Amino acid sequence: AQSVTQLGSHVSVSEGALVLLRCNYSSSVPPYLFWYVQYPNQGLQLLLKYTSAATLVKGINGFEAEFKKSETSFHLTKPSAHMSDAAEYFCAVSAEGNNRLAFGKGNQVVVIP
Amino acid sequence: DTEVTQTPKHLVMGMTNKKSLKCEQHMGHRAMYWYKQKAKKPPELMFVYSYEKLSINESVPSRFSPECPNSSLLNLHLHALQPEDSALYLCASSPGLSQETQYFGPGTRLLVL
Repeated sequence: AQSVTQLGSHVSVSEGALVLLRCNYSSSVPPYLFWYVQYPNQGLQLLLKYTSAATLVKGINGFEAEFKKSETSFHLTKPSAHMSDAAEYFCAVSAEGNNRLAFGKGNQVVVIP
Repeated sequence: DTEVTQTPKHLVMGMTNKKSLKCEQHMGHRAMYWYKQKAKKPPELMFVYSYEKLSINESVPSRFSPECPNSSLLNLHLHALQPEDSALYLCASSPGLSQETQYFGPGTRLLVL
């Protein structure tokens, strides 16, 4: 079964500093990987998606993620944090056939002015 | 347009009440989902509909009853809920079931008294 691991539930970053959220996956088949963002009292919004077309994936709001098969990783980065980036971020992997999403535990990002 | 709408936004109900949550999408998607999300946790899958037929039921208690009247509409009927059922209920849709992006609605915040 597919799964993802996100370490460090709370991540504090200074405004203007690099945002780095780590995600490692486990999958017996080539995975489809997703990063979603959830702002307070809202639903999940897709940030970006890996579908094997390119290892470096660019998403919305200046975020990008790099798929590294050798490290089974799909880390999310943004060069310069903005106050509006404060939110919960979930990494997820999709199972082939039924589209069941396996979510990581999430990272709560706090941006310090 | 990648919008999934959900009504109501908030719902308070007693343990003897019957209520329904509604989800709608007009993207032509043929798969629709219900998730339950507790605070500071990732969403948990409850049900999946594919082509208006129930595809997955994650052993959800019978006090939750899903319904898919047509390809655009998904309901969740609630009856005799417990306080522990208080949560954010999220609806999502995807074009199909083959590792495709799920688009989430804003959710219904449910409080059971």
